[in-house]
Amino acid sequence: DAKTTQPNSMESNEEEPVHLPCNHSTISGTDYIHWYRQLPSQGPEYVIHGLTSNVNNRMASLAIAEDRKSSTLILHRATLRDAAVYYCIRTFQGGSEKLVFGKGTKLTVNP
Amino acid sequence: DAGVTQSPTHLIKTRGQQVTLRCSPKSGHDTVSWYQQALGQGPQFIFQYYEEEERQRGNFPDRFSGHQFPNYSSELNVNALLLGDSALYLCASSFGVEQFFGPGTRLTVL
Repeated sequence: DAKTTQPNSMESNEEEPVHLPCNHSTISGTDYIHWYRQLPSQGPEYVIHGLTSNVNNRMASLAIAEDRKSSTLILHRATLRDAAVYYCIRTFQGGSEKLVFGKGTKLTVNP
Repeated sequence: DAGVTQSPTHLIKTRGQQVTLRCSPKSGHDTVSWYQQALGQGPQFIFQYYEEEERQRGNFPDRFSGHQFPNYSSELNVNALLLGDSALYLCASSFGVEQFFGPGTRLTVL
């Protein structure tokens, strides 16, 4: 299964930017990078996805390294509601592929 | 739009029993996937249904089976329950890249 590596946990302060790293050194040319997050007692929630270029949406930005072996999810101003487990996931294609979740990064946001 | 709904919310069964979990996808979504999430772990893919056919399957035994109906709703069946089947079962629907997850069904096997 497609492998990504993330830190187990990170901590941030409210209203500060957060950079969540993900390593996917064995990525192939057609693999997409997806980010989902799971708030406590909820199902996962889509955050963002990309292939090669940096991507922005209302929730976050995704910065993909030029060699595509790593990426960073950027939350521009963390809020308490952003405290969640963040999962970085590779898929073969951009369609409704199965998602292979690791353990993710648990983000703690301090007030 | 109600989003993805799952029923029941919680369920308690004993070993050897059978269970059926239900999922209604988000309006307009034709693909349904099921995941199992053990405590402290990320969700694990069970299988995916599209046009009433199982399209992909994860590494789960045949005790786990499913069905998709013409209205795209889906069921997950687990036979001969084991203690290790205790988990949160998540349903996700999609019509493209983004998958929308339901709140899950918490299954406890005693």
